[in-house]
Amino acid sequence: ETGVTQTPRHLVMGMTNKKSLKCEQHLGHNAMYWYKQSAKKPLELMFVYNFKEQTENNSVPSRFSPECPNSSHLFLHLHTLQPEDSALYLCASSQAQGEGNQPQHFGDGTRLSIL
Amino acid sequence: AQSVAQPEDQVNVAEGNPLTVKCTYSVSGNPYLFWYVQYPNRGLQFLLKYITGDNLVKGSYGFEAEFNKSQTSFHLKKPSALVSDSALYFCAVRDMNSGGYQKVTFGTGTKLQVIP
Repeated sequence: ETGVTQTPRHLVMGMTNKKSLKCEQHLGHNAMYWYKQSAKKPLELMFVYNFKEQTENNSVPSRFSPECPNSSHLFLHLHTLQPEDSALYLCASSQAQGEGNQPQHFGDGTRLSIL
Repeated sequence: AQSVAQPEDQVNVAEGNPLTVKCTYSVSGNPYLFWYVQYPNRGLQFLLKYITGDNLVKGSYGFEAEFNKSQTSFHLKKPSALVSDSALYFCAVRDMNSGGYQKVTFGTGTKLQVIP
């Protein structure tokens, strides 16, 4: 139990579908992150939120839309995805990013497959 | 700019032998350094970190890492490998002197295979 819960664990969707990934943390952290992990590629940081405000968007296509309604919850809304978007999507949380010596705590990810 | 390199895609070691997973980094200031482990179908788990002080850092599951400033390295070590240590290991760095919301940079990962 890492304190960071991601749902669903697996998701299969067509390119025209709309779905959302959910992340919830019970650690009292103020920063939350979305990462994309693809086979044989480095871990890609997508978005960062600190105190509910988006502080980083790493040139992510607009078909990915994040939402952070409070410091404990993070969503990734998906629409009109492409086959190359198939990957493991990891959520993480930490103390606010300015506290740079604190580790990130990761959820177990959502395995996304685009048909 | 900051970067981290893990030069080995895979490391194979016999059970009971010592293991080393290599990591080198580049930052303009002083580094915060981290090691994470990822088991199959799981997220990354924090193992240990170097902030300041002793160059030898001890972490979870019997792992340790040695900070070497002159060689800009932070290699992960364990005296006696277990089959259950087989996993993907990530090194990460953040520049201590950068302010604001400076992100952490992760390495590409090293797959550790412990052979029974």
